[in-house]
Amino acid sequence: QKEVEQNSGPLSVPEGAIASLNCTYSDRGSQSFFWYRQYSGKSPELIMSIYSNGDKEDGRFTAQLNKASQYVSLLIRDSQPSDSATYLCAVISDQGAQKLVFGQGTRLTINP
Amino acid sequence: DARVTQTPRHKVTEMGQEVTMRCQPILGHNTVFWYRQTMMQGLELLAYFRNRAPLDDSGMPKDRFSAEMPDATLATLKIQPSEPRDSAVYFCASGSGTNTGELFFGEGSRLTVL
Repeated sequence: QKEVEQNSGPLSVPEGAIASLNCTYSDRGSQSFFWYRQYSGKSPELIMSIYSNGDKEDGRFTAQLNKASQYVSLLIRDSQPSDSATYLCAVISDQGAQKLVFGQGTRLTINP
Repeated sequence: DARVTQTPRHKVTEMGQEVTMRCQPILGHNTVFWYRQTMMQGLELLAYFRNRAPLDDSGMPKDRFSAEMPDATLATLKIQPSEPRDSAVYFCASGSGTNTGELFFGEGSRLTVL
């Protein structure tokens, strides 16, 4: 079982709709969770971090965390074509050197 | 404008040759990560340093890969000898020690081994 799992997509969403991206993780002791966005041919950039159960909102983005279910999600409201990218879920393991492990990423396309 | 700088941006080499990739982390950052990205495997962690000390290199093929931080402004990743399966984009990322998950990535070094 991979440490961080995501549906690789592609996920296609019409402009203006809500895009929902999901992620599960295997280490029950993990405490820190992140969403990175990667445009094609570019490097990943951090867009959200979440550390406590519940929702965290930042503009059109909402991160959701459920530690009991070992589940993290990212919602993008009012999706724009500029949101088309690969979204990477990342988790810091509670063990060892606190390394940041990434999921495979979900490719999101927003259709005008 | 603080950023992570990686060199070279592109490298084409032949199997068996030595490849060295360099990274200058953001000034003041004390954590440095090396990742490799391929279509099949995604982003794989190769090595991780905190305050220049290697903390984890379990993802790195030890027989051919080595990673070092000779000083706080330079991290290196070396492959010797290189193989076609090493072809990938190699990313360096740096962060501050307070939260190792909030990383700034360099633009990457695209390696092609023929």
